[in-house]
Amino acid sequence: AQSVAQPEDQVNVAEGNPLTVKCTYSVSGNPYLFWYVQYPNRGLQFLLKYITGDNLVKGSYGFEAEFNKSQTSFHLKKPSALVSDSALYFCAVSFSGGYNKLIFGAGTRLAVHP
Amino acid sequence: DSGVTQTPKHLITATGQRVTLRCSPRSGDLSVYWYQQSLDQGLQFLIQYYNGEERAKGNILERFSAQQFPDLHSELNLSSLELGDSALYFCASSERDIGASEQYFGPGTRLTVT
Repeated sequence: AQSVAQPEDQVNVAEGNPLTVKCTYSVSGNPYLFWYVQYPNRGLQFLLKYITGDNLVKGSYGFEAEFNKSQTSFHLKKPSALVSDSALYFCAVSFSGGYNKLIFGAGTRLAVHP
Repeated sequence: DSGVTQTPKHLITATGQRVTLRCSPRSGDLSVYWYQQSLDQGLQFLIQYYNGEERAKGNILERFSAQQFPDLHSELNLSSLELGDSALYFCASSERDIGASEQYFGPGTRLTVT
């Protein structure tokens, strides 16, 4: 069965420090991996995706993610966190032949402190 | 603003009732998805349509049904409502139904069943 795990319910980081939000996946076939962000009382916003090719993917707002096939991971990173990055982050996976439906992780709340 | 609209924003109804949630996709998007977000189940895929045809089904209850109309808007019908159906229901749209096409989410409809 396809699944996504986000092992941390919450990540706390000081403003200006690098941040990492972890994601691992399990899918049969080739995975397509996504990160979305949800601000309070808002819908999900697309940040970035990995389909194939370069393992380091750059996305919106200075975020990037690294695909690691051997560790089946797709961690979200940012070199310098902003207080405005505080939100709920979701990792999601779809797969070839899966008609683009997304399977989401449980979400990780990122809190960036001034 | 993602370009996906959902109505109503909030809905409060009683157990046993039936409600209809409406979604208009981004201009040019042919695929529509419905997701349910609840505290205990997280974000779950319900159903997907592409140009009026059902493409994929997820954990959608038999009491729930959906359709996509010729003008591409979609409706999600929830009947015989139970307390456990209280959740945030998101609609998303994408240009294609396959190939890791990123999805754009609406602001959601918050359903409260009392």
